[in-house]
Amino acid sequence: QVQLVESGGGVVQPGGSLRLSCAASGFTFNSYGMNWVRQAPGKGLEWVAFTRYDGSSKYHADSVKGRFTISRDNSKNTLYLQMNSLRAEDTAVYYCAKDSNNYGIDYWGQGTLVTVSS
Amino acid sequence: QTVVTQEPSFSVSPGGTVTLTCGLSSGSVSASHYPSWHQQTPGQAPRTLIYSTSTRSSGVPDRFSGSILGNKAALTIAGAQADDESDYYCELFMGSGIWVFGGGTKLTVL
Repeated sequence: QVQLVESGGGVVQPGGSLRLSCAASGFTFNSYGMNWVRQAPGKGLEWVAFTRYDGSSKYHADSVKGRFTISRDNSKNTLYLQMNSLRAEDTAVYYCAKDSNNYGIDYWGQGTLVTVSS
Repeated sequence: QTVVTQEPSFSVSPGGTVTLTCGLSSGSVSASHYPSWHQQTPGQAPRTLIYSTSTRSSGVPDRFSGSILGNKAALTIAGAQADDESDYYCELFMGSGIWVFGGGTKLTVL
């Protein structure tokens, strides 16, 4: 069965950096696009970034463009989100989500909490 | 900037049928927006119900269905059950690799 396990969350000061990881199993990782989606406390879902199955194309939401970078290592079945210049408004649970390859997410991880605070 | 709109809240009686909608602040939703629907209960990760307008995700019962109704995407839940009480989020493809979520609908079953 599809499993997505996020890690790397924690408390970081404003202006700091953090790298999230998502370990994937139960499917052929190098055949599927992958997403990061976040949810601030008590708020709705916000799409953050997408990478194609081979990493050849990457897209980021305007709110994180230039600060966050999505990447993947298909040899390790792992998705990453490098987050730099973190702000208080980046505080959220970050979810890794598998693309269906038919336009749309079909599986989600359990999420990892990132708190940006001094 | 185009906003994805959803009803903030909705209620349905047990056993009843409810249709939640997903629109755009400017323009119409079509199949080329590949609408998805995700269900989330408090404290849990989201679960995908529908993607690409009407494709049910694995394990989702057929009482959940997706469609385009007029100028909006729609999620219909038939035979509502107590554990359908959740937040429901639609998601639209806006082109150029960009996706946008709606603000969510809080569904109450009572």
